[in-house]
Amino acid sequence: DIQMIQSPSSLSASVGDRVTITCRASQSISSYLNWFQQKPGKAPKLLIYAASNLQSGVPSRFSGSGSGTDFTLTISSLQPEDFATYYCQQSYVTPLTFGPGTKLDIK
Amino acid sequence: EVQLLESGGGLVQPGGSLRLSCTASGFTFSSYTMNWVRQAPGEGLEFVSRISTSGGTTYYADSVRGRFTISRDNSKNTLFLQMNSLRAEDTAVYYCARESSGWHPFDYWGQGTLVTVSS
Repeated sequence: DIQMIQSPSSLSASVGDRVTITCRASQSISSYLNWFQQKPGKAPKLLIYAASNLQSGVPSRFSGSGSGTDFTLTISSLQPEDFATYYCQQSYVTPLTFGPGTKLDIK
Repeated sequence: EVQLLESGGGLVQPGGSLRLSCTASGFTFSSYTMNWVRQAPGEGLEFVSRISTSGGTTYYADSVRGRFTISRDNSKNTLFLQMNSLRAEDTAVYYCARESSGWHPFDYWGQGTLVTVSS
């Protein structure tokens, strides 16, 4: 199985900050990397697919980059509604494994 | 509007069985691969199972293989997860998720149903 590692595991930031979360795959997954946002008690929401493609309806302050094994999710200017947990997921091969998550909270 | 609605969760004793359902609407269900993902309390997301459009191809996480069975009824727009020999570590919120074609992202999720395995 492909293992996904995220860093940091938690992050404190302020409204307006630029934030970057990284995700590393244990083997090359091309651009088959997706990012999700999850708020407490809610289902995950797809933000970015295929490493850098913004899902419809997602604000443009979210962006993704990377290919192969190393990927990043960037939020250019944090808004109050962005405080949540973020997960990466590889969709290159079954099982479609998730990273352990990065919890983003208010400083 | 795409909607996925899970049901069937609840409290079950260790060794017991439960059948989850996910009813889809707002899209052509038979055209999409579907998945089950679970989340134990306070934990991250774990892929559970996947089924092809026709139901002919299925995949299971090692943690559930041999105990869980995924299936679908395209005539009723419904996805199922039959869970047998349940263990305490199966306690989780179970989500069904639609898998989009091409890059295979899970683009729509249900609200989840809680399964608690406890005596």
